[in-house]
Amino acid sequence: EAAVTQSPRNKVTVTGGNVTLSCRQTNSHNYMYWYRQDTGHGLRLIHYSYGAGNLQIGDVPDGYKATRTTQEDFFLLLELASPSQTSLYFCASSDARGNYAEQFFGPGTRLTVL
Amino acid sequence: GQQVQQSPPASLVLQEGENAELQCTYSTTLNSMQWFYQRPGGRLVSLLYSPSWAEQRGGRLTSSAASNESRSSLHISSSQITDSGTYLCAPLGSFNKLTFGAGTRLAVCP
Repeated sequence: EAAVTQSPRNKVTVTGGNVTLSCRQTNSHNYMYWYRQDTGHGLRLIHYSYGAGNLQIGDVPDGYKATRTTQEDFFLLLELASPSQTSLYFCASSDARGNYAEQFFGPGTRLTVL
Repeated sequence: GQQVQQSPPASLVLQEGENAELQCTYSTTLNSMQWFYQRPGGRLVSLLYSPSWAEQRGGRLTSSAASNESRSSLHISSSQITDSGTYLCAPLGSFNKLTFGAGTRLAVCP
């Protein structure tokens, strides 16, 4: 079973604050993803990466930066947090080789921006 | 971009023991389908992953796809109270990106 961990699990910050969400996967997957989920909605892709040093823009990237420092670690950065970024954030990883691309998700980080 | 619709669109109420069929329609080519269960606290549980058009089974769950209709289904047999929660479908498209539906909330009553 793929293992994806996220930290912190809960975070409260103020408008304009600086927040970093961390994600680590221990299965040597090449792809990693950051999603956000708002009440009553499915998950939406913010950024993703297919390897260390690589970054791809997702569907809702505005206000977010991301960095993939190693194969295992993917960070999401909110440099000037706004209340609209209050959400549940998920990280995921996948091997994505050939036709098999199942994604494995972390437990989520609940972020509140006051 | 990819458009994903789930039905029933919001919620479904069943009596324990009844079967359920949840549907997912999408707008572009399907590479694979992943179905998730989301617990009330938010944790996502991957239920089934179906490469391409393959039918996939896991316990009381079956995922199937109709390629000519851009539609996939999740069938839950003999529902149990513990099946209550939100079910999300996520077709995998180009660049290994999942697009999620908004989910169907299932309530199973005794």
